[in-house]
Amino acid sequence: DQQVKQNSPSLSVQEGRISILNCDYTNSMFDYFLWYKKYPAEGPTFLISISSIKDKNEDGRFTVFLNKSAKHLSLHIVPSQPGDSAVYFCAASAGLYYGNNRLAFGKGNQVVVIP
Amino acid sequence: ETGVTQTPRHLVMGMTNKKSLKCEQHLGHNAMYWYKQSAKKPLELMFVYNFKEQTENNSVPSRFSPECPNSSHLFLHLHTLQPEDSALYLCASSPGAGNYGYTFGSGTRLTVV
Repeated sequence: DQQVKQNSPSLSVQEGRISILNCDYTNSMFDYFLWYKKYPAEGPTFLISISSIKDKNEDGRFTVFLNKSAKHLSLHIVPSQPGDSAVYFCAASAGLYYGNNRLAFGKGNQVVVIP
Repeated sequence: ETGVTQTPRHLVMGMTNKKSLKCEQHLGHNAMYWYKQSAKKPLELMFVYNFKEQTENNSVPSRFSPECPNSSHLFLHLHTLQPEDSALYLCASSPGAGNYGYTFGSGTRLTVV
């Protein structure tokens, strides 16, 4: 049972345009959400997170939006740069509820930014 | 060194071999994890250790045997693996219980022949 779902496994976008990645979750107890970025032959690196008490968090070119009623979050990258070409994983945690820090991950989205 | 370090980076082993993967974190974290990443699949949690104690085994076959001698080191002992076990094995650590992200190592690319 996959609790975190990332559809549209790949995305190609022109440099300078916006990249939008979507993520849906099924567990209503999730209260913390993260995006990780992964280059080939490297481990995922933390990108940005959002708590369920907020609906938006921004960090430079990266913004995450959370819609709790729809159990949906999205990552916006603007403007997209060639160095953003990577796989992006959505992850969710119910740490405050379950008292643990287990993360559930989606399958990932491959982003290719075309120069 | 800082962060999470995994060795070796690449490993090729036969189905009758015994090998071990090593993970070391220099972040003062109390929780460590093994994840498996296969092609076109989500990251699969294998094991969780909190303060050296195993708190989760996600129905992992016994041919994978974890060991956590202290909060900074985590091993994954491998024996009689199958070709379908070929994958990227990722180690991660986090401060402990609560809402924290993980810090991942670079992974070990394992190929079973």
